[in-house]
Amino acid sequence: ETGVTQTPRHLVMGMTNKKSLKCEQHLGHNAMYWYKQSAKKPLELMFVYSLEERVENNSVPSRFSPECPNSSHLFLHLHTLQPEDSALYLCASSHATGISYGYTFGSGTRLTVV
Amino acid sequence: RKEVEQDPGPFNVPEGATVAFNCTYSNSASQSFFWYRQDCRKEPKLLMSVYSSGNEDGRFTAQLNRASQYISLLIRDSKLSDSATYLCVVMGDASKLTFGTGTRLQVTL
Repeated sequence: ETGVTQTPRHLVMGMTNKKSLKCEQHLGHNAMYWYKQSAKKPLELMFVYSLEERVENNSVPSRFSPECPNSSHLFLHLHTLQPEDSALYLCASSHATGISYGYTFGSGTRLTVV
Repeated sequence: RKEVEQDPGPFNVPEGATVAFNCTYSNSASQSFFWYRQDCRKEPKLLMSVYSSGNEDGRFTAQLNRASQYISLLIRDSKLSDSATYLCVVMGDASKLTFGTGTRLQVTL
């Protein structure tokens, strides 16, 4: 149990579907992140939330829409995705964006777009 | 130049060997440095932070050279269970973590 829980673990969706990824942390952290990990590429930061406010959006296409209703929960809403969006999507949390602590990652959602 | 650069490997070493990985980073203003370990099809997990004076945790030693902008990870007495991908991670502007592509280690009998 990592303290950061992601659901679902695996997701297959068509290009016209709408789905959501969920992340929940029980570590008392106040910053949460979405990362994308594609084969043979480094982890790419997508979104950062600090104290429930979005502080960074790394030029992510609008077909990805994050939501952070409170400091423990983070969602990534997906619609009209492309096959190249197939990847491992990792949620992470930390105490705050301004402190030099490492992050705690969830187990990820392996997404396949068909 | 990549922000964080690592040799992807794989490094194939026998059990008991000593192996070292290096990583270079481009942002001289980077503040904090980490090594993460990622097992196949699993999430990255923090292995150790890297301090300016160098630090050791059991069989693992991490070192930082700010002048040359590289960090290293040394693993002594390798175990089969050390087989994984080791990610070099640098914290720079606005406390943003930037990851390297990782170095794959395979420890064999």
